[in-house]
Amino acid sequence: ETVMTQSPATLSVSPGERATLSCRASPSVQTNLAWYQQKPGQAPRLLIYGASTRATGIPARFSGSGSGTEFTLTISSLQSEDFAVYYCQQYANWPLWTFGQGTKVEIK
Amino acid sequence: QVQLVESGGGVVQPGRSLRVSCVASGFTFSSNAMHWVRQPPGKGLEWISVITYDGTNTYYADSVKGRFTISRDNSKNTLSLHMSSLRVEDTAIYYCARDYDNSGYYIDYWGQGTLVTVSS
Repeated sequence: ETVMTQSPATLSVSPGERATLSCRASPSVQTNLAWYQQKPGQAPRLLIYGASTRATGIPARFSGSGSGTEFTLTISSLQSEDFAVYYCQQYANWPLWTFGQGTKVEIK
Repeated sequence: QVQLVESGGGVVQPGRSLRVSCVASGFTFSSNAMHWVRQPPGKGLEWISVITYDGTNTYYADSVKGRFTISRDNSKNTLSLHMSSLRVEDTAIYYCARDYDNSGYYIDYWGQGTLVTVSS
């Protein structure tokens, strides 16, 4: 089983600041990694796939990087609507998909 | 636009069965693999099952294997999950989700979910 570990569990950031979220995979998932955003009471929304490609309609302030076992989601300048929980998910180990436990981005 | 609408959730006793469904619209349903993902209240996401575009192949997480059955009716644009021998720990919001590909790649759209509560 591929284990996905996200850090930190909670990130406190002021509006306008940069947020950096980490996701570690064991074993390697190459670039078969997606990031999702989930706001309270809502379904998740796809942000990034292929580790670094933004999904349709996702603002440029969201960027993804990494390959193999280490990945990063960066939000360059946090807006009020970006405070949410973020999940990474691997799809390399087909047909078993696994999610990280999530990182909550909260207002500092 | 892609829409996925789940239904069928509710309160069920441990050991009983329940079927949840998802009606899809806004895309060619028969072209995409489909997933079920669940989320216990206040907790993270857990992938539980996928079915390929034509229903030929199905796969399950170990936590539900042998108890849950995923199926699809491409003529009705409907995805289903039959859950049997339900346990308290199966309590969760169940999301229907579309795969980008026909056999399984990444999830690109999600429904709003249906809540299943297993309780005596």
